[in-house]
Amino acid sequence: DAGVIQSPRHEVTEMGQEVTLRCKPISGHNSLFWYRQTMMRGLELLIYFNNNVPIDDSGMPEDRFSAKMPNASFSTLKIQPSEPRDSAVYFCASKAGTGQPQHFGDGTRLSIL
Amino acid sequence: EDQVTQSPEALRLQEGESSSLNCSYTVSGLRGLFWYRQDPGKGPEFLFTLYSAGEEKEKERLKATLTKKESFLHITAPKPEDSATYLCAVQMDSSYKLIFGSGTRLLVRP
Repeated sequence: DAGVIQSPRHEVTEMGQEVTLRCKPISGHNSLFWYRQTMMRGLELLIYFNNNVPIDDSGMPEDRFSAKMPNASFSTLKIQPSEPRDSAVYFCASKAGTGQPQHFGDGTRLSIL
Repeated sequence: EDQVTQSPEALRLQEGESSSLNCSYTVSGLRGLFWYRQDPGKGPEFLFTLYSAGEEKEKERLKATLTKKESFLHITAPKPEDSATYLCAVQMDSSYKLIFGSGTRLLVRP
């Protein structure tokens, strides 16, 4: 069975550029989460979607960050404009329902120069 | 404040040397406690869910246990391929959020 699929796996870009990260959740899962992982802060929840609707975006650091889920099989996380402090690994996770575990993709390693 | 603390931060074992990792939590009402394994360059991989004190789950050389204040991940006769970072996360009642600990980096030497 296919797991959570994220693209690109690596992204290197210059400060000020727009960055778009993509996620395909596991088929049949109705919840989707975007996380950011750094050495200093560990895993931080950015935004949570349920049935394609954003439920909680309180973890989104600034207005430069936005996320969409146009359908059950696709989500994007966009950073515009990007800054060096946005450099991190960004994970997408999905889960099937209440009490079920979240399943993570292999992340996008983002470097902003 | 809801908090999850893992110890030790890092652990080095010889192959075959059994040990335990600790995850202590202070949350108001536990819905579930989750253990994940994370390899370098990969996302966290789900291992176990524990829902109530006294519950135990096993998978190969790993056994997870849960009390009202902490969980242990016991590793019996580890092999080098068990080397990874092990993450603990808790979900509170009436919440969808997972609160992650900072992880234990395990290195098993041959």
